[in-house]
Amino acid sequence: KQEVTQIPAALSVPEGENLVLNCSFTDSAIYNLQWFRQDPGKGLTSLLLIQSSQREQTSGRLNASLDKSSGRSTLYIAASQPGDSATYLCAVIGSLDTGNQFYFGTGTSLTVIP
Amino acid sequence: DTGVSQDPRHKITKRGQNVTFRCDPISEHNRLYWYRQTLGQGPEFLTYFQNEAQLEKSRLLSDRFSAERPKGSFSTLEIQRTEQGDSAMYLCASSLELAEAFFGQGTRLTVV
Repeated sequence: KQEVTQIPAALSVPEGENLVLNCSFTDSAIYNLQWFRQDPGKGLTSLLLIQSSQREQTSGRLNASLDKSSGRSTLYIAASQPGDSATYLCAVIGSLDTGNQFYFGTGTSLTVIP
Repeated sequence: DTGVSQDPRHKITKRGQNVTFRCDPISEHNRLYWYRQTLGQGPEFLTYFQNEAQLEKSRLLSDRFSAERPKGSFSTLEIQRTEQGDSAMYLCASSLELAEAFFGQGTRLTVV
């Protein structure tokens, strides 16, 4: 069974810092990896999708990388802002034959201090 | 299209009562997922539909839980004889095949 781990569980940084969130998964046979943001009491907002054939994706101040063979992904946030404070979740899904669910990590809770 | 819609947003019910939640996916999406999330945890898979067919159910989905997706459009999740342990956020997501998945705002269930 796929297991997804996110480190650190919580992170607090001053505004303006660059930061990296880590995600690792045990089964490298994934089809996609997706990063989400979740504000307290809310649903999940999609940030970036990386297909297994890709190495990275960028959206604004966010850059996500994927090393499928080592089972790792990172989410890089540049010039952090207080509005970035949220929980960040990564999820992986398998192939068309096995990809019937997303497996989630427990998330990294980010606090950006003004 | 405004995205995935879930109703209600909040539900408080007494133990033993039945509850039903609704999810309206993005219209062209053929895949629909239900997840459950408790405080401090990542979402846990409950069940998945490909069009109207329910293709997989988690062991978490006891016989008190049932989900439907008639005509491959909206979906309902019913919990019968609710227990306090059912208190959680119930999340619905949809995608077109294995493309990007979009989640709704969730239904927060509190069983008292």
